[in-house]
Amino acid sequence: GENVEQHPSTLSVQEGDSAVIKCTYSDSASNYFPWYKQELGKRPQLIIDIRSNVGEKKDQRIAVTLNKTAKHFSLHITETQPEDSAVYFCAASYRRDSSYKLIFGSGTRLLVRP
Amino acid sequence: EAGVTQFPSHSVIEKGQTVTLRCDPISGHDNLYWYRRVMGKEIKFLLHFVKESKQDESGMPNNRFLAERTGGTYSTLKVQPAELEDSGVYFCASSQVNEQYFGPGTRLTVT
Repeated sequence: GENVEQHPSTLSVQEGDSAVIKCTYSDSASNYFPWYKQELGKRPQLIIDIRSNVGEKKDQRIAVTLNKTAKHFSLHITETQPEDSAVYFCAASYRRDSSYKLIFGSGTRLLVRP
Repeated sequence: EAGVTQFPSHSVIEKGQTVTLRCDPISGHDNLYWYRRVMGKEIKFLLHFVKESKQDESGMPNNRFLAERTGGTYSTLKVQPAELEDSGVYFCASSQVNEQYFGPGTRLTVT
């Protein structure tokens, strides 16, 4: 069935260091991969996404890479800041009968130590 | 532009009672999704509306859950009768195409 695995479950880094979160998806038909950031008590916010026709996408300190052959995608945050501390979710989606349901990973709790 | 809103933000009910959650999507978004996060686990898909039609309800756990979107605007999700395992955070999201924008969620506690 459809499944997304996410690692690590928790990640603690020093301010200024980089953080990498990795996800693996099972359904080769998946073609859209968003990343969400959820701060405590707030809604999940879309921070970056990538489509299957692209291998890498960057937005300031955030980048996402996609390896379709291996069915892996990763989130890279450089020069981490304390406000990056949150739970990050990866997701995979594909269009089936006009439905784009998201299959989420289990989340990574990122702590950036000042 | 207003984002996705949900009501109530919190609900505490006893096992066997009924609860109705409401979601107002971003204006103009035809797609409306319901998701649920239980006890720190992953966010799981429940169902998808396109306008007023149920496009995909493969994630609905059982027939105690009923979702409606009359008129294709706001949606309601009713749980009747509620069970302990229904506790969690219920999220609504809306989209025009791919990008789904989430509401703040309703935290449901069944005691």
